[in-house]
Amino acid sequence: SQKIEQNSEALNIQEGKTATLTCNYTNYSPAYLQWYRQDPGRGPVFLLLIRENEKEKRKERLKVTFDTTLKQSLFHITASQPADSATYLCAVLGNQGGKLIFGQGTELSVKP
Amino acid sequence: ETGVTQTPRHLVMGMTNKKSLKCEQHLGHNAMYWYKQSAKKPLELMFVYSLEERVENNSVPSRFSPECPNSSHLFLHLHTLQPEDSALYLCASSQGQGGLETQYFGPGTRLLVL
Repeated sequence: SQKIEQNSEALNIQEGKTATLTCNYTNYSPAYLQWYRQDPGRGPVFLLLIRENEKEKRKERLKVTFDTTLKQSLFHITASQPADSATYLCAVLGNQGGKLIFGQGTELSVKP
Repeated sequence: ETGVTQTPRHLVMGMTNKKSLKCEQHLGHNAMYWYKQSAKKPLELMFVYSLEERVENNSVPSRFSPECPNSSHLFLHLHTLQPEDSALYLCASSQGQGGLETQYFGPGTRLLVL
């Protein structure tokens, strides 16, 4: 069955550093991959979508890569700030209809 | 902040109670979703409605009953729940139902079943 895995352990980094989060998927070749941010007590908020023919996508301090050979997406936040502290979720289009399949999320903590 | 609202935000209920969760989207979207989010687990898709028709029922127990009276409103009726049903229930909407569609989530209802 399709499976998505994200770093299960929280990621702690110092302000100003680059945070890198990983999303690995198996038994599937998604055409699209999305990244969301979720703050405590809130619903996820969409950040970026990357297609399989796009190796990299950027939005302000965010960068997402999509390696279909490694079956992996990397999510980078450059010049990280304490306000970037949240849980980040990746999601891929399932192979049954238009539903998204989410990873369990990685909690990022940026220390001042 | 968000075009998707959910009420109530918090709910405590006994196993014999009947309650309903409400979701409303103000974005003019055609698809609406219910997800369950348990601690340290991925979001689990429960139901999908597209143009008010249920298109997905992800093997959800019958104690959860969805209702979509129109494209802006979605309900989740709960009855005889179990303690393991305690979780954050999230509603989302999207313009269409394809994988390119961004999903917009509400703040969720934190449910505790005693």
